[in-house]
Amino acid sequence: QSVLTQPPSASGTPGQRVTISCSGSSSNIGTNTVNWYQQLPGTAPKVLIHNTNQRPSGVPDRFSGSKSGTSASLAISGLQSEDEADYYCAAWDDILNGYVFGTGTEVTVL
Amino acid sequence: EVQLMESGGGLVQPGGSLRLSCAASGFAFGSYAMSWVRQAPGRGLEWVSHISGSGDTTYYADSVKGRFIISRDNSKNTLYLQMKSLRGEDTAVYYCAKEPSSYCSSTHCSHWFDPWGQGTLVTVSS
Repeated sequence: QSVLTQPPSASGTPGQRVTISCSGSSSNIGTNTVNWYQQLPGTAPKVLIHNTNQRPSGVPDRFSGSKSGTSASLAISGLQSEDEADYYCAAWDDILNGYVFGTGTEVTVL
Repeated sequence: EVQLMESGGGLVQPGGSLRLSCAASGFAFGSYAMSWVRQAPGRGLEWVSHISGSGDTTYYADSVKGRFIISRDNSKNTLYLQMKSLRGEDTAVYYCAKEPSSYCSSTHCSHWFDPWGQGTLVTVSS
């Protein structure tokens, strides 16, 4: 059902860099800004990145976002145990005239 | 501090109706668009509906169009989601979220959600 595709899982050891991809189309990522949300177990989602590469205050600079064409990426550098969570990309879709989320990626810290 | 508090969830039979509320505080409610997002048990996030700050503009996901109605009462700082003809696949935690940025220019659209409420569980079952 999701129009944005993410890998189901990603993992790394503490201190490593992990990258999560998000594949979309010209009607969403290709045209509009991309956002990333983090959902810790049992909690509501929280915005990590908005407008493709902007971090809200309070979000560590270990998190960074980028976009190229119809794909976007979230990078987590210096992975920490508290980064274990589900991560979702999202963007407005001009054809659906609605907001679309990615399929979600579960990050595990080994 | 910005706070969003959902209420109104519960158990409802298939075909039934339910109205969710989201009480907002800590910001100029009428100045911001709002959205509802849901998450079925063990599943990912699904956007449900958006309403502009004035309430003049609404959008819906295809999965709820014609069955759900989003509305707001800016005098009460409250967002609503009226749900009817409920189905098993509507079972989910429903979150309300503030949209700090909500616009479409000639080149792109920017919408994002922050913060989110704690969510309210809707269970559709006989």
